[in-house]
Amino acid sequence: DVVLTQTPPTLSATIGQSVSISCRSSQSLLHSNGNTYLHWLLQRPGQSPQLLIYSVSRLESGVPNRFSGSGSGTDFTLKISGVEAEDLGVYYCVQGTHAPYTFGAGTKLELK
Amino acid sequence: EVQILETGGGLVKPGGSLRLSCATSGFNFNDYFMNWVRQAPGKGLEWVAQIRNKNYNYATYYAESLEGRVTISRDDSKSSVYLQVSSLRAEDTAIYYCTRGGALGYWGQGVMVTVSS
Repeated sequence: DVVLTQTPPTLSATIGQSVSISCRSSQSLLHSNGNTYLHWLLQRPGQSPQLLIYSVSRLESGVPNRFSGSGSGTDFTLKISGVEAEDLGVYYCVQGTHAPYTFGAGTKLELK
Repeated sequence: EVQILETGGGLVKPGGSLRLSCATSGFNFNDYFMNWVRQAPGKGLEWVAQIRNKNYNYATYYAESLEGRVTISRDDSKSSVYLQVSSLRAEDTAIYYCTRGGALGYWGQGVMVTVSS
């Protein structure tokens, strides 16, 4: 199975600070059809996860544009440009290129 | 508005079985893959199973850790997806989420399954 390694495991930020989360894959996530199925989710405390970014860099409808995704192959990054209080929670990367789907272990974003 | 509602959870004895249901509305169910993802208490997310749509011959995929004990199915006429889990173990205790699409774009609120004697 594909292993996704997220770093850091915990991130402390102040409101307005920009932060990045890394997700590294044990193998390339480029599908034979040319797409890369690497997505980012946020799980706020006590809530279900929600999709933020799909296919590396595509912003899900309704998600603020302070969220952005980048990367290719095995290295991917989620950036939050100006953290807001509502952004606190656990961020997960997930890959759907290779069966079975696999998730990163999560990055917990806390207020400093 | 997209709505996803899981039901069927509860307390089950080890070795028992459970059928989870996921009723959806607000989108064309026939167009989408559907997934089950679970989360053990205090832990991260674990993908469980996927069923594709008619265009993909309703192909199914399962997590290796559960293969042989789970069956995912769907009823397009009811816009619903199901997960049958058998030979339940304590480590199957988790919130089970139903999610839409290949990118896991919409999630239900989840249903708790507790396996305990």
